[in-house]
Amino acid sequence: KAGVTQTPRYLIKTRGQQVTLSCSPISGHRSVSWYQQTPGQGLQFLFEYFSETQRNKGNFPGRFSGRQFSNSRSEMNVSTLELGDSALYLCASSLTLSGQSYGYTFGSGTRLTVV
Amino acid sequence: DQQVKQNSPSLSVQEGRISILNCDYTNSMFDYFLWYKKYPAEGPTFLISISSIKDKNEDGRFTVFLNKSAKHLSLHIVPSQPGDSAVYFCAASAPGAGSYQLTFGKGTKLSVIP
Repeated sequence: KAGVTQTPRYLIKTRGQQVTLSCSPISGHRSVSWYQQTPGQGLQFLFEYFSETQRNKGNFPGRFSGRQFSNSRSEMNVSTLELGDSALYLCASSLTLSGQSYGYTFGSGTRLTVV
Repeated sequence: DQQVKQNSPSLSVQEGRISILNCDYTNSMFDYFLWYKKYPAEGPTFLISISSIKDKNEDGRFTVFLNKSAKHLSLHIVPSQPGDSAVYFCAASAPGAGSYQLTFGKGTKLSVIP
């Protein structure tokens, strides 16, 4: 069974540019969540999608957006990149919104560097 | 406002000894707690979890203890092995309408010395 796949693995962008990251959840998983990991802040919740609907959003500016497709694949977009957006972006999928018994399954992440 | 705190950024333990990783939380609505393990260049891996109706959950070498009155949980690894060297994240969730958001601590880097 394939795990959560995130592409690309590494990305370097310039300030002011925009970026799109992709996440393919485990087959059959309908919930996809995104987290940002930075050394100073740990893992911070960005947003969560279930059946193409955003169910929850973390405390991030509107430059951060996402969407989910009918096949449960998800993308997140960051516009007008800032240096502080440099981070590891992690995608996680779960079978349902109540997948508490199993927790999330995380992808390996996309390492974004803004220069 | 950090709702989940791991006050020890790092911990070193001798191989074969017990590793104890601590986590405190402030949100009394949290009812489910999880531990994740993370190696460099990989995503976090689910390790063990505990519901607030329990005070202990065990899985092999890993045991999680929950003290609700103190809003404290701990992860015990016995015996510690070099392969356990990783960053450990404590996470918590609260019941919410149609959502499953985890709040993470900042992590504790465990080094198991052979």
